[in-house]
Amino acid sequence: DVQLVESGGGLVQPGGSLRLSCVASGFTFSHYAMAWVRQAPGKGLEWVSTMSGSDFGSFYTDSVKGRFTISRDNSRNTLYLQLNRLRGEDTAIYYCAKIRIPGGRHYFGSWGQGTLVAVSS
Amino acid sequence: DIQMTQSPSTLSASVGDRVTLTCRASQHISAWLAWYQQRPGKAPKLLIYRASNLEGGVPSRFSGSGSGTEFTLTISSLQPEDFATYYCQQYYTDSPPWTFGQGTKVEIK
Repeated sequence: DVQLVESGGGLVQPGGSLRLSCVASGFTFSHYAMAWVRQAPGKGLEWVSTMSGSDFGSFYTDSVKGRFTISRDNSRNTLYLQLNRLRGEDTAIYYCAKIRIPGGRHYFGSWGQGTLVAVSS
Repeated sequence: DIQMTQSPSTLSASVGDRVTLTCRASQHISAWLAWYQQRPGKAPKLLIYRASNLEGGVPSRFSGSGSGTEFTLTISSLQPEDFATYYCQQYYTDSPPWTFGQGTKVEIK
């Protein structure tokens, strides 16, 4: 079974940084693009960033470009999201998500349980 | 960017009811649409992809239809575990952003 386990969330002051991790199991990690999707308290889902499986191409939503960096370590089956210059509007649960099929279109077949990032002074 | 609009925002229904949720895209997206279910406090779960394909393990009371700009998710006989929020998501392009609707909450009447 696919498992995605996020960690690294917490309370951080505006302008601060955090690094989120997502450890994957149950599939060949390097074959799949992986993404981060967030959900602000009481709000809907927002795609944040994606990294492809092997060529490490990456994409970001406009509001996080230049502040967030996605990366992955295929030898550790781990996806990362470095969050810098955090703002209050970045407060959300951050989900790690697996693109459903290798090389496939951009929808999400599996999700982790999420990790909460709270930005507040 | 492609905007996704879901209606209604909230739907009140009873166990056994047939319910239909709607998702509209701001431009043509062919059938590149997914539906997700999110129960309170839980992660989203893929229900349907490519507008009408049921993900493995999803009960057959769920069905999806539509193409172009208008899509529906139907639950043929609502069960207690189906009270949740449902999101649509377009994945028409190979370039971002890949956008979600704002969600429809199905609540107990």
